[in-house]
Amino acid sequence: DQQVKQNSPSLSVQEGRISILNCDYTNSMFDYFLWYKKYPAEGPTFLISISSIKDKNEDGRFTVFLNKSAKHLSLHIVPSQPGDSAVYFCAGRGTSGSRLTFGEGTQLTVNP
Amino acid sequence: DAGVIQSPRHEVTEMGQEVTLRCKPISGHDYLFWYRQTMMRGLELLIYFNNNVPIDDSGMPEDRFSAKMPNASFSTLKIQPSEPRDSAVYFCASQQGLAEAFFGQGTRLTVV
Repeated sequence: DQQVKQNSPSLSVQEGRISILNCDYTNSMFDYFLWYKKYPAEGPTFLISISSIKDKNEDGRFTVFLNKSAKHLSLHIVPSQPGDSAVYFCAGRGTSGSRLTFGEGTQLTVNP
Repeated sequence: DAGVIQSPRHEVTEMGQEVTLRCKPISGHDYLFWYRQTMMRGLELLIYFNNNVPIDDSGMPEDRFSAKMPNASFSTLKIQPSEPRDSAVYFCASQQGLAEAFFGQGTRLTVV
C-alpha cells in the first residue's frame, strides 16, 4: 500500500523556467508534509515543509502547495537552476507519530 | 555536529554472509530511523527507535533482518543471511521530536 505517490519518475526543464513536482497521498491522517532533495551518493536533505493547516509555504525559490481535498501537494521551483538537478522525495507524517512515509521520488534535470 | 554518520559507505558481500550496517545519530536526537532505498518503492522505512526503544519494526522485510540500538549514540542493522535481493542503499536518519529528519550518507550494499 503506497500511501505517498510520485507518479512522475523524471522531469526535465530548462534553466530559468519553473519546475513543478507533484505528489499524491491517500492517508487522511497525514497532517505534515515535507520535501527532501537527494544528490547522487548523498543522503536526502530537508528542503521545505508544510502543515495541513496551511495551503502554501514559501522559502526563496521553493514553494509548496497543499490541496487537502484532492490529497495533492506540489513543489514549485522558480527559477530553476542546474544545481537543482537531483531526486526529490515527498513525505507525509501522521498525527500519531514521528515516522515519515516517502514517495518513490522524482528525478529533476535542469538543463543549462 | 558532524551529522549522522554511517559505516561502511560501501559493502560487497557474498550471498549467505552476515552483514552489519552501523549508524551514529546526531547527539541529542531522540528518534532514529532505518530506511532502504529501491527504485520501485523509493525510501522504505524498515524500523525506528525512540529513546533507544524499537517502536515500529513492521517494515523489516524478513526475520533475516534485525536492528539494535544499545545506546543513544549507536545503532546497527544486521542481515543474516544476506541475499542478492537485499542489494540496495540503506539510510539511517535521526530526528529530534517532530522536527525534520537528518539523513546519513547511506551504505550501498551489494550481495553477489
